[in-house]
Amino acid sequence: AQKITQTQPGMFVQEKEAVTLDCTYDTSDQSYGLFWYKQPSSGEMIFLIYQGSYDEQNATEGRYSLNFQKARKSANLVISASQLGDSAMYFCAIGDWAGNMLTFGGGTRLMVKP
Amino acid sequence: DSGVTQTPKHLITATGQRVTLRCSPRSGDLSVYWYQQSLDQGLQFLIQYYNGEERAKGNILERFSAQQFPDLHSELNLSSLELGDSALYFCASSVGGRGRNEKLFFGSGTQLSVL
Repeated sequence: AQKITQTQPGMFVQEKEAVTLDCTYDTSDQSYGLFWYKQPSSGEMIFLIYQGSYDEQNATEGRYSLNFQKARKSANLVISASQLGDSAMYFCAIGDWAGNMLTFGGGTRLMVKP
Repeated sequence: DSGVTQTPKHLITATGQRVTLRCSPRSGDLSVYWYQQSLDQGLQFLIQYYNGEERAKGNILERFSAQQFPDLHSELNLSSLELGDSALYFCASSVGGRGRNEKLFFGSGTQLSVL
């Protein structure tokens, strides 16, 4: 079974500063994928970034980057230059190679202060 | 817009009733996934269909069932509803269904309230 742990239930960050959201995972699979999704107050789930377990470089998508440390089983999300619109719930998830379904962590609520 | 369509957006019903949630995946996607999001359980995977066949099952109650039709749309049926079934139900889709690490595209969800 796969498991995702997000230890920060809530975080504050000042606008324009960078913030790191923590994610650790547990899996017995050799091949897996790690995903981050954003859920604003409107409720939809928005894909942010993906990291494959065999990818040698950390993934980046605009202001989002994934700090992947395989030996430590961590996949932290870094948001640079935070904006007010970044205030939302953020979910880390791990992909199941057999079925492609995702297992999600409990989420981190990020609040950006002006 | 993810391209995944879920109807209805909101549903209010009473205990003991039965409801059907509908999902149309993105064009070209063969896999459909159902997730339940509640405050106490978080995001829980319920069930996955790939090209009309059940592919994986998660924490889905026996009172719940789903199917995927030939046109690839899917329905989640919830029966004998209880107060604890109140939640946000998401449908997601992806191109493939096995041996891949594809991102899932989520619909905007159906908010179910059981009174």
